[in-house]
Amino acid sequence: AQSVTQLDSQVPVFEEAPVELRCNYSSSVSVYLFWYVQYPNQGLQLLLKYLSGSTLVKGINGFEAEFNKSQTSFHLRKPSVHISDTAEYFCAVSPIGGSYIPTFGRGTSLIVHP
Amino acid sequence: KAGVTQTPRYLIKTRGQQVTLSCSPISGHRSVSWYQQTPGQGLQFLFEYFSETQRNKGNFPGRFSGRQFSNSRSEMNVSTLELGDSALYLCASSLDQGLAFFGQGTRLTVV
Repeated sequence: AQSVTQLDSQVPVFEEAPVELRCNYSSSVSVYLFWYVQYPNQGLQLLLKYLSGSTLVKGINGFEAEFNKSQTSFHLRKPSVHISDTAEYFCAVSPIGGSYIPTFGRGTSLIVHP
Repeated sequence: KAGVTQTPRYLIKTRGQQVTLSCSPISGHRSVSWYQQTPGQGLQFLFEYFSETQRNKGNFPGRFSGRQFSNSRSEMNVSTLELGDSALYLCASSLDQGLAFFGQGTRLTVV
């Protein structure tokens, strides 16, 4: 079984500041890792994914994440946020070779202030 | 390529009624999963269908059921609605490697 912990339920930040949203996971098998974003009353949109290869993954909207196997972490970063980045962000893991059902964290609400 | 389409977007039902939600996956995707999202419980997995068979099931009561048709379209049904069933229901389709593409969801309100 897998579990995902998003360490911050809410992250307030000023526009143009850098941000890091933290994600730790636990799994008895190797996993794929994902970050999704959800805007109000919308579904989830894939930001980026780690399947294999380079541990630094670049996604859409200027976001990137780094997979750290030893620390079982997959933190999401952006060097300069915009008001439009205000949304809920979900980290998810999916077992490799398994049922492909992702397990989601509880989400982090990113609030960007002008 | 069209994305995942969920209908309807919004629904209001009365306690005790039943409801059916529909999901059309991305063309070529054979796996369809359903999730319930509430402020208190977050994203909870309901069930997954693959090639018309339920392949995985979450921890929900039998009032929640689903099916998948030969064209991969899926429906989920909730019978005897309770106030606590009010939620955003999300459908996701995937091809492989756990990469799920989500629809915009159906907002169900039970009054």
